[in-house]
Amino acid sequence: GAGVSQTPSNKVTEKGKYVELRCDPISGHTALYWYRQSLGQGPEFLIYFQGTGAADDSGLPNDRFFAVRPEGSVSTLKIQRTERGDSAVYLCASGGGIYNEQFFGPGTRLTVL
Amino acid sequence: AQSVTQLGSHVSVSEGALVLLRCNYSSSVPPYLFWYVQYPNQGLQLLLKYTSAATLVKGINGFEAEFKKSETSFHLTKPSAHMSDAAEYFCAVTGGNSGGSNYKLTFGKGTLLTVNP
Repeated sequence: GAGVSQTPSNKVTEKGKYVELRCDPISGHTALYWYRQSLGQGPEFLIYFQGTGAADDSGLPNDRFFAVRPEGSVSTLKIQRTERGDSAVYLCASGGGIYNEQFFGPGTRLTVL
Repeated sequence: AQSVTQLGSHVSVSEGALVLLRCNYSSSVPPYLFWYVQYPNQGLQLLLKYTSAATLVKGINGFEAEFKKSETSFHLTKPSAHMSDAAEYFCAVTGGNSGGSNYKLTFGKGTLLTVNP
């Protein structure tokens, strides 16, 4: 079956611009996660959705970051007034089950010039 | 807070040699543990997981890992390395009692595996 998909695969923007990153989870998965992976580091948790609601957004670095999942499927991560430090690979994962296996998408590489 | 330590940011082995990638976690209550592999410019692929059913866990591509509570370790091994195993490997944890949630993964910094012909 289809895995997690993310668009765009690459995004180059200028400092101060607004960007949206999209995630299409595996069909039927109620849990959806966003992580951020900086160069040479492991992924770091940003936000977790259970259904339509954000159950835990404690990993969002500041109020420039926001994410939505209005219908409990597709999610969009929104970054306002981008800064060069936001450059990273943004990974989306979906999952469920009692062991909380998470299945990752290929990521969106964001570059802020 | 929960943490994962991967000893060795870079491991180099010869083709056919044993692969050993180390992972230690911080929790006195066994959490759920995972190993993921990341090939260049790709997302993370789950290799295997420990969920308290068995201490020796077998995964895909001939990899396995052993959970050792006394050592708080979950090292990844493969008896014979292939060129196609060259990638970055991440150990991750969720659950446990060191302030860990039961959903978000905490990752180590990763180990880059190089396989020499």
